Amino acid sequence: QSALTQPASVSGSPGQSITISCTGTSSDVGGYNYVSWYQHHPGKAPKLMIYDVTKWPSGVPDRFSGSKSGNTASLTISGLQAEDEADYYCCSYAGSYSWVFGGGTKLTVL
Amino acid sequence: EVQLVESGGGLIQPGGSLRLSCAASGFIVSSTYMTWVRHAPGEGLEWVSVLYRGGNSQYTESVKGRFTISRDNSKTTLYLQMNSLRAEDTAVYYCGRGYGSGSFDIWGQGTMVTVSS
Repeated sequence: QSALTQPASVSGSPGQSITISCTGTSSDVGGYNYVSWYQHHPGKAPKLMIYDVTKWPSGVPDRFSGSKSGNTASLTISGLQAEDEADYYCCSYAGSYSWVFGGGTKLTVL
Repeated sequence: EVQLVESGGGLIQPGGSLRLSCAASGFIVSSTYMTWVRHAPGEGLEWVSVLYRGGNSQYTESVKGRFTISRDNSKTTLYLQMNSLRAEDTAVYYCGRGYGSGSFDIWGQGTMVTVSS
């Protein structure tokens, strides 16, 4: 299956809000409410930020929120902080016991 | 503390084999589904394989027939047997614990696999 489509990079100033999109197809993002988002610093363990499209794991601040419309999911980070600078990946269940990740988005906090 | 620790990576020639291990602490690997994901240099994360509680498994197309996911009887270690390795398998490999029905909440720090002559 093809990788989900994410913008290569986004940026924002501290305190601002940014949104990262994640576009798939009806066979993955559009077909299941199993979209998750991961924060990743290369060489370190990925961190689950959002699961099941809109839910927060314990310990993740509610500045992070998720949504979905059709075949596109989105991650919004409000009140941007310097520590949010990282790579962000969306991931969707794609049926037949398989998953697919997005290409990743590098978030720069200006 | 719940954690995962990968090991077994290294430099291997094309066509060779490696077995990656993922040691779990704080939980039993057979209690949920488990996954392997890789991160090739300059690329994004790529899902590789999953092993379900009941023993069902699945693989991304590019590794089918070459990689095998398994777990040990003590239920504390997940494995990824990688055969017929190719240069394009070069990546950091991460294991992850299934959470809910469609996500992964605990990840290891990764182990580097380099396939090169």
